Amino acid sequence: DTGVSQDPRHKITKRGQNVTFRCDPISEHNRLYWYRQTLGQGPEFLTYFQNEAQLEKSRLLSDRFSAERPKGSFSTLEIQRTEQGDSAMYLCASSLDRGQAFFGQGTRLTVV
Amino acid sequence: TQLLEQSPQFLSIQEGENLTVYCNSSSVFSSLQWYRQEPGEGPVLLVTVVTGGEVKKLKRLTFQFGDARKDSSLHITAAQPGDTGLYLCAGGSTSGNTGKLIFGQGTTLQVKP
Repeated sequence: DTGVSQDPRHKITKRGQNVTFRCDPISEHNRLYWYRQTLGQGPEFLTYFQNEAQLEKSRLLSDRFSAERPKGSFSTLEIQRTEQGDSAMYLCASSLDRGQAFFGQGTRLTVV
Repeated sequence: TQLLEQSPQFLSIQEGENLTVYCNSSSVFSSLQWYRQEPGEGPVLLVTVVTGGEVKKLKRLTFQFGDARKDSSLHITAAQPGDTGLYLCAGGSTSGNTGKLIFGQGTTLQVKP
């Protein structure tokens, strides 16, 4: 399967813990996006990479959130000191330039 | 700020009925996409419309982009239980060259047999 891969699919963590999610985009795709989706809502844009450069961050991305794409391939999204409000589906998408974006299956985070 | 409003948010119908989902904005979008999402999965692209007034058909689904590229509709003919899911419209942001998508809130469709 050469689609966008996200790991883990599900994560349950205690409030205050740090969590890290990984996204492996489609191999030739230079653009990578992170979105957050709460139950019953549409995804909201968090951040965008072109190759290894993080070019845009949403105001939703507080300073507890950090994303990296060190070699322009896979990306990680870390949340420090998780809060219950961070519970959501975290979606990764990739595209070649401004072509069609393909989404991964997401990581469902539950903060208890 | 570009926003997309979808309506209705919830729709529960019987198999065989027709339905229309609307996606409206006061902003112009460079393109508009429709996605379908199953529970616990990521959105899957159904169609992209880019030209004002464009109509695209995908089997029993008909998509239309408004002339002014501010709104779109999805019409499903003779709905089937397999059409059940979350339908999302998303607009390509005209701000910068990021390619980020602005999503509507989604329409949860339940088709009962």
